[in-house]
Parts: sequence; structure tokens; C-alpha cells
Amino acid sequence: DAGVTQSPTHLIKTRGQQVTLRCSPKSGHDTVSWYQQALGQGPQFIFQYYEEEERQRGNFPDRFSGHQFPNYSSELNVNALLLGDSALYLCASSFGTLTLNTEAFFGQGTRLTVV
Amino acid sequence: AQTVTQSQPEMSVQEAETVTLSCTYDTSESDYYLFWYKQPPSRQMILVIRQEAYKQQNATENRFSVNFQKAAKSFSLKISDSQLGDAAMYFCAYKNRGSQGNLIFGKGTKLSVKP
Repeated sequence: DAGVTQSPTHLIKTRGQQVTLRCSPKSGHDTVSWYQQALGQGPQFIFQYYEEEERQRGNFPDRFSGHQFPNYSSELNVNALLLGDSALYLCASSFGTLTLNTEAFFGQGTRLTVV
Repeated sequence: AQTVTQSQPEMSVQEAETVTLSCTYDTSESDYYLFWYKQPPSRQMILVIRQEAYKQQNATENRFSVNFQKAAKSFSLKISDSQLGDAAMYFCAYKNRGSQGNLIFGKGTKLSVKP
């Protein structure tokens, strides 16, 4: 089992550009959540996808958007990049969205640097 | 809104000794989970231990145990017989049904283990 895989591992973009990050969930998982972890901080929830729909969203502007594909993989898109978007972006997968007793498995993240 | 506070930015322990990491949280919910995640330099979040709020018995996983004080909203992690591989960032996290299962993290505690 490959676990949660994210690509790319590192990325450098220029302010104003757009970026797409990708996540493949752990086998058997159907829910993907995205988190932003700024340097020295804990992860902050961006949004969650289940059944190809955004089910919940954190306090992030609509420059942050996403998508989930029929195979449960997911993309995070960020438009009009700002310097403050520089962070580690973590993907977490789980089975089901409303079950409290659901363990989330995390990928190794994508380190995004905006210059 | 739920919040998670980790008041110790850094902690240090001698190999083979015991260390306790602190976490407090604020919620008005009664149905929730608490977690401790470990994030080594590899960046991948690894679940260490979790506690169901309605269970009075403290969770234990090998060398890791928690002290869950529901009335005080306190959730500390005790690591016994510390090993060099325990060195990492440790994050306390909260999840309730109202958040549709998404995690709210503290800012983390950096644990160093001295040989």
C-alpha cells in the first residue's frame, strides 16, 4: 500500500502565477482533505472533498479551489499566488466524511515557495 | 469556535527518560476526538495516539500515553523511555462532528532527545 502520495514534493512559483498540487489517497479511502502549514505553525484546514464535491471549507479565499476525480484523487489549485501562500501543503485521506471515528492518513506534503 | 493551544514551543528530554507535552482545548461540544500527531523532518504527519471524549480511560499506545482531563479541557502526552527517533514536532489536534471530521491543530511542540 503506497499510502497517501503527493506531487510535486517541492515547487517554486512567482507571485501572481497559478499552481496545481496533486494528491492520491490511500487505497480504500474516498475522502481527501487539504491543509496549509505555514512555517512554525500547525496545519490549517483548507477544504474537504467527498464524492467529487467540496463538502466543507475553511477560512481561505476563493483563490483556493479544488477538484476530486472519480478515482478519488484530488487537486488543489491556487490562483494569483501571494508571497503569503508559501507553505507546506498537506493532503490527508480518510474513509467517509461524517464518521467521527475516522483516522486521517497524511502525505508528505508539497513545499510551495512563492518568490 | 474550537481552539487548540500548545503552550510549550520546545521541549527537551534525555534518552530513556520521560517527557510530558501539554495541550489544552476549548469547545462547547460533547462528542469529539483528540489526537497527538508526530511530524518528523520527513514532514509526514503520523498519528501517535487518539482519545475519544466519552471514554474516561486514558489511551495508551506502547510508550505513549495521554492524561485526558475532560472538565479541565486538558490533553497531555507522556512519552516514556524516550528514544532518539522520538525527536520531532508534536501536534495536538481536535475533531468533532460539527467540523465534519476535520482536524483543528495546535501550533506544535518541538521535541529534542539528547543521547
